[in-house]
Amino acid sequence: EEKLVESGGGLVKPGESLRLSCAASGFDFSSFSFSWVRQAPGKGLEWLSSINGGSSLIYHADSMKGRFTISRDNAKNSVFLQMNTLRAEDTAVYYCLRDGVPLWGPGTLVTVSS
Amino acid sequence: NFMLTQPHSVSESPGKTITLSCTRSSGSIASAYVQWFQQRPGSAPTTVVYESDQRPSGVPDRFSGSIDSSSNSASLTISGLKTEDEADYYCHSYASASRVFGGGTRLTVL
Repeated sequence: EEKLVESGGGLVKPGESLRLSCAASGFDFSSFSFSWVRQAPGKGLEWLSSINGGSSLIYHADSMKGRFTISRDNAKNSVFLQMNTLRAEDTAVYYCLRDGVPLWGPGTLVTVSS
Repeated sequence: NFMLTQPHSVSESPGKTITLSCTRSSGSIASAYVQWFQQRPGSAPTTVVYESDQRPSGVPDRFSGSIDSSSNSASLTISGLKTEDEADYYCHSYASASRVFGGGTRLTVL
């Protein structure tokens, strides 16, 4: 079964950092590009960042540049999102999304609050 | 960059057919594949159409996707509506270095 599972979310204070992980299983991980997408409470989906199979092509939404960084480890079948200087408006469910036949994970909740 | 515009909400009766639209603001709709995602309340999104008109395994053929270059838009058609189709639907496409989601359409089946 093809599967994505995000982890690393939680409650953090403004200005702190968090690293999200997305563990993949059931398919040839290194052949696919991945994205991180978030959804603030009651809002729509927002694309954050994408990375190709060999990590040679990395794209970030303009609003995230400088604070969020995507990476991957093909040996560990995992994709990561390093989030720095978190703000209250970063509170959202963060999803991992695979290309090809798109596959979503269940998401991980990040809450930024003092 | 470009935007994908979707109607905020639509409603239809069970058994009917409905078409959800997704209009690209600039650049050709045919220049990149369009995906459609369904999100039921409290759940993660799932894919109902990818590569503009392809259905993933397990998605019923009541769901179909298409693009129309004359209106620069993509469409998701759902036939034989069921109450379980009630959800938010998002379209998604690409530019050279970015990806864009539409704002989503809330489908009510009543």
